[in-house]
Amino acid sequence: SQTIHQWPATLVQPVGSPLSLECTVEGTSNPNLYWYRQAAGRGLQLLFYSVGIGQISSEVPQNLSASRPQDRQFILSSKKLLLSDSGFYLCAWSPPDRVAYGYTFGSGTRLTVV
Amino acid sequence: AQSVAQPEDQVNVAEGNPLTVKCTYSVSGNPYLFWYVQYPNRGLQFLLKYITGDNLVKGSYGFEAEFNKSQTSFHLKKPSALVSDSALYFCAVRDWTSGTYKYIFGTGTRLKVLA
Repeated sequence: SQTIHQWPATLVQPVGSPLSLECTVEGTSNPNLYWYRQAAGRGLQLLFYSVGIGQISSEVPQNLSASRPQDRQFILSSKKLLLSDSGFYLCAWSPPDRVAYGYTFGSGTRLTVV
Repeated sequence: AQSVAQPEDQVNVAEGNPLTVKCTYSVSGNPYLFWYVQYPNRGLQFLLKYITGDNLVKGSYGFEAEFNKSQTSFHLKKPSALVSDSALYFCAVRDWTSGTYKYIFGTGTRLKVLA
């Protein structure tokens, strides 16, 4: 069966420090991968998605970047965090195309920038 | 572009009563619609989906949703609410953009079931 792992679960970082959040998927090949941010416990904002190794699409301009160095690994990064980067970050995967499978989400990372 | 709307920020219901969480959609073509639930500090969990077929879709934890094409709605329902159903609920629609599928989420509805 497929599983998705996301870590760390919580993170407190000072303003100006770097960030690296990691997401890995097991039990599937060539998944579509997504990073979402949820602010104030409500709406979900799509940040990045990837349909293959090295293929990253950005939905909104921001202080963050994403990379996909391996088929089932998706990394969210920042060189210098801002206070506004605080939020709940969710990774998700879906099978590539065709069937409307929906997303499977990771358990999330709560990032607090202080 | 595809979109969904959840008109209620919060829904309160007494335990044992039926519950409805509303969702309306705007799509071109056939809609692929989903409901997810989120418990505090957790990722979203899939509840159910409508692709085609029967308008009444049954999902996890006793939830069901009714697809209504004429009203462009996909409301989430449960005959008898439990306190443990208290959570944040998201409606979503699948969107095809730039050669890949993405899912567009509503703003979420907080369900509070009162004992």
